[in-house]
Amino acid sequence: GQQVMQIPQYQHVQEGEDFTTYCNSSTTLSNIQWYKQRPGGHPVFLIQLVKSGEVKKQKRLTFQFGEAKKNSSLHITTTQTTDVGTYFCAGRSGGYQKVTFGTGTKLQVIP
Amino acid sequence: EAQVTQNPRYLITVTGKKLTVTCSQNMNHEYMSWYRQDPGLGLRQIYYSMNVEVTDKGDVPEGYKVSRKEKRNFPLILESPSPNQTSLYFCASSFWLGGEITEAFFGQGTRLTVV
Repeated sequence: GQQVMQIPQYQHVQEGEDFTTYCNSSTTLSNIQWYKQRPGGHPVFLIQLVKSGEVKKQKRLTFQFGEAKKNSSLHITTTQTTDVGTYFCAGRSGGYQKVTFGTGTKLQVIP
Repeated sequence: EAQVTQNPRYLITVTGKKLTVTCSQNMNHEYMSWYRQDPGLGLRQIYYSMNVEVTDKGDVPEGYKVSRKEKRNFPLILESPSPNQTSLYFCASSFWLGGEITEAFFGQGTRLTVV
């Protein structure tokens, strides 16, 4: 079955440093979504990427979808304490209706 | 206000006592899912539904049942709960548009403890 791995599992950064999380799928994805879950909260949608090689930006966040549509990354520049939380990728292989979430990367920002 | 509502938020129950967690959405979404979240394992899909009366297994369906009699509601049923079903559960809904699942809206979560 489809598996989606994320690395790293945890990341501690000093406020102002950059942060990157990587998402790797065992199968080709039709699209990929990214979510953020604050401590004690529920996942909140950030963005969806559909095209091979697609890059999207949201202020300090940059999202990339790999050329082979099997990997993706989220890069945050100049982290702030408001960036604290767990970041998940989620994808679906074409022809399937199941959605598979990555294992998540928990980000801690040290003030 | 667009929302997904889960109830209850917290539940402690005993092994074997049937329970239902309700989920309702007001966005007319076709696609609804249940996930469980466990430390280190991320979110794992239990069941999903493409529309009314259309449900299918996710990655971890054992021990769970669902039904979709109305578009807005998607209850999760544990017929005989066991301690390994202690977890944080999320319901989510999305549009199903042109063969793609759009952004998921999540409920607030249900923290279930089975003793």
